[in-house]
Amino acid sequence: AQKITQTQPGMFVQEKEAVTLDCTYDTSDQSYGLFWYKQPSSGEMIFLIYQGSYDEQNATEGRYSLNFQKARKSANLVISASQLGDSAMYFCAMSRYNNAGNMLTFGGGTRLMVKP
Amino acid sequence: DSGVTQTPKHLITATGQRVTLRCSPRSGDLSVYWYQQSLDQGLQFLIQYYNGEERAKGNILERFSAQQFPDLHSELNLSSLELGDSALYFCASSVVDRGTDTQYFGPGTRLTVL
Repeated sequence: AQKITQTQPGMFVQEKEAVTLDCTYDTSDQSYGLFWYKQPSSGEMIFLIYQGSYDEQNATEGRYSLNFQKARKSANLVISASQLGDSAMYFCAMSRYNNAGNMLTFGGGTRLMVKP
Repeated sequence: DSGVTQTPKHLITATGQRVTLRCSPRSGDLSVYWYQQSLDQGLQFLIQYYNGEERAKGNILERFSAQQFPDLHSELNLSSLELGDSALYFCASSVVDRGTDTQYFGPGTRLTVL
């Protein structure tokens, strides 16, 4: 079974600073995908970034980058130059590459609060 | 805006009742997923459909059922509702059903069972 652990229930960061949100995962699969989603207070789930288990380069999308360390089974999200609008819940998730479907397994989330 | 639509946005009903949640995937997406988000269980996968057929099942109760129609929209039916069914229900869609496919989420339906 797959498991995602996010050990930081809540974090503060000063506006314009960088912040790292931790995510560790457990799986026996060789092929898998790792995703980060943002959930603002309005409730919607917004896709941020994706990393495949065979990707050698760390994924980047604008101010978001994913620090993927396969041997340590970690997939931390780095947000550079934090903005007030980054205040939200952030979820790490994992998908499977198999014929039994493509469901996501989510971590418990980290609430990020950006201070002005 | 992800392109996934869900109706209704809010639903308030009583215990024992039955409700139907509706989802329209992004144009071109063949896979539809349903997730439940509650305070005690977090985000949990319920069920996946791909091009009209059930693809995978997660922690979905027997009182819950879903289907995907020929136009690819999907409905999640919840019956004999209990207080514990109160949650935010998300629909997501992806192009196909590979593990690399990004799932884009709809805005959710917030269900309150009184």
